[in-house]
Amino acid sequence: GNSVTQMEGPVTLSEEAFLTINCTYTATGYPSLFWYVQYPGEGLQLLLKATKADDKGSNKGFEATYRKETTSFHLEKGSVQVSDSAVYFCALDNYGQNFVFGPGTRLSVLP
Amino acid sequence: ETGVTQTPRHLVMGMTNKKSLKCEQHLGHNAMYWYKQSAKKPLELMFVYNFKEQTENNSVPSRFSPECPNSSHLFLHLHTLQPEDSALYLCASSQTGTSGEPDTQYFGPGTRLTVL
Repeated sequence: GNSVTQMEGPVTLSEEAFLTINCTYTATGYPSLFWYVQYPGEGLQLLLKATKADDKGSNKGFEATYRKETTSFHLEKGSVQVSDSAVYFCALDNYGQNFVFGPGTRLSVLP
Repeated sequence: ETGVTQTPRHLVMGMTNKKSLKCEQHLGHNAMYWYKQSAKKPLELMFVYNFKEQTENNSVPSRFSPECPNSSHLFLHLHTLQPEDSALYLCASSQTGTSGEPDTQYFGPGTRLTVL
């Protein structure tokens, strides 16, 4: 079956630090991959996505590259801000099957 | 972002009450979803509707009853809930079946439910 694994949180960083949140997946075929972000008290928002191998999704300074050889989709940002504090979810969609979400990684950025 | 709206945002109910959660999407999508988000647990898919037909029911207790009267509206009717049902209930929508495009899901803000 399809599954998504994320690094355990919480992750605590100082402002302007480099961020990496690891995500690996298990799926047959060629799923699409997503990162969603959930700010306190809100629903999930799509952050970025990639639909095929070697695609790079990017948004708001965040990037993730679809690596089929390592079945990974790690989220990175060069310089985090306090406003980036949230829970980040990696997810996949394997056409014709339901979305699968990872457990989420909580990020806290300190001033 | 007002693509998917949910009401109410907060709900407190007793175990004998009957209440309903409402979700409305303004994106022209053909699929809608209910998820349950509990503290320290992964997001749980509860129900899926495609073209108003229920296509998924992930072993959800019968005290949760979904209704999808049209492709823009989705309800979750609640009755005789238990305290462990307290959670954030999220609604999402997507456009399925579009060739070459992933089924990106768009979420509402959620309803925070507390069962006393």
